[in-house]
Amino acid sequence: DTAVSQTPKYLVTQMGNDKSIKCEQNLGHDTMYWYKQDSKKFLKIMFSYNNKELIINETVPNRFSPKSPDKAHLNLHINSLELGDSAVYFCASSQGWGLENTGELFFGEGSRLTVL
Amino acid sequence: QKEVEQNSGPLSVPEGAIASLNCTYSDRGSQSFFWYRQYSGKSPELIMSIYSNGDKEDGRFTAQLNKASQYVSLLIRDSQPSDSATYLCAVELITQGGSEKLVFGKGTKLTVNP
Repeated sequence: DTAVSQTPKYLVTQMGNDKSIKCEQNLGHDTMYWYKQDSKKFLKIMFSYNNKELIINETVPNRFSPKSPDKAHLNLHINSLELGDSAVYFCASSQGWGLENTGELFFGEGSRLTVL
Repeated sequence: QKEVEQNSGPLSVPEGAIASLNCTYSDRGSQSFFWYRQYSGKSPELIMSIYSNGDKEDGRFTAQLNKASQYVSLLIRDSQPSDSATYLCAVELITQGGSEKLVFGKGTKLTVNP
């Protein structure tokens, strides 16, 4: 069983289109994340949800809208795609933070988005 | 100042040598520090975590933390070609809203030559 699974693995689309990426985790974790990794391999946090509640929203264009229907799922919808959105998007989950939690992230396999 | 900085490399070492990877961070309040390994085309995976000053050893890997100098390092002893990957330093930071987030450095690409 894959712990954190994302679909689709590859997305190729035209500028201006709208696309979604789905993520599911079966680890029972409370916290889920979206990270973006650009062509230079820089991994940057975009959003974080804890028990379906948005807790981190970095300075991401509002064309990006995350949705968490339950704590095991976190989807990412992107409107009006631009060339600069081309990247690998990683979903991750963790048990959270606190005295007994380490904040270790478990990553999905990534979704490679190419905008033409 | 960037939140987490690493030498981008690339770093090349011969098989059997010690590889030394370094990282500095800006937030003195950070308490949790991690090293992730990312093979080309794959997702990052955790290899070491460290929370207290000093050394932490796990097999061929040793993480070192110096909070006063805001410095974290990773030593890989007896390097193997299978260690060739990008190593990402990650540091817990507290947001203005009081939430924790894990911030990554840009990674150091390591190549171990047979």
